[in-house]
Amino acid sequence: EDQVTQSPEALRLQEGESSSLNCSYTVSGLRGLFWYRQDPGKGPEFLFTLYSAGEEKEKERLKATLTKKESFLHITAPKPEDSATYLCAVQARNAGNMLTFGGGTRLMVKP
Amino acid sequence: DGGITQSPKYLFRKEGQNVTLSCEQNLNHDAMYWYRQDPGQGLRLIYYSQIVNDFQKGDIAEGYSVSREKKESFPLTVTSAQKNPTAFYLCASSIAPFFYQQYFGPGTRLTVT
Repeated sequence: EDQVTQSPEALRLQEGESSSLNCSYTVSGLRGLFWYRQDPGKGPEFLFTLYSAGEEKEKERLKATLTKKESFLHITAPKPEDSATYLCAVQARNAGNMLTFGGGTRLMVKP
Repeated sequence: DGGITQSPKYLFRKEGQNVTLSCEQNLNHDAMYWYRQDPGQGLRLIYYSQIVNDFQKGDIAEGYSVSREKKESFPLTVTSAQKNPTAFYLCASSIAPFFYQQYFGPGTRLTVT
């Protein structure tokens, strides 16, 4: 069974304090790993797709990396507007188009 | 603007009543999905459809039903058989069924009392 675990569940940072969010996964053949941002009461917003170990993608203050067992979302010098829940999801080769989501990390950045 | 619309944003029902949640997309996407999100938890797949007039059960389909009569529309009915229907419901679509990112709508928060 495919599993995705995100840690920590919640993270409080001061503005400018860089950190990383973790997404550990167990899947029988990874087709892709997705990162989403979700603001309270809204639908998730797509951030990145990673396909193979060693791959990295960046967008503004966010950088996503992928290994064979986990993915990290690095946040450099965060701002209060980066506060949101970050969701990780995996798509397995034998799961058709189904995604398995982790529980998310709720990030709070204080000014 | 292209996107996914869900209506209504908030929905209140009495226990024992069926309720239908709307999802419309104008992205010309083939595949559409319904997810349920409970507080502090990840998304769980209810149903998905790869093409018009076809749909498959996800992980938690019991107590729900769907239809896909048009490419643009994928309504979800929460039936009285769903034991714990209060949740945040999210509709998504992707350009094709496999290996493509999913775009999400704004969600409908359903409260059943």
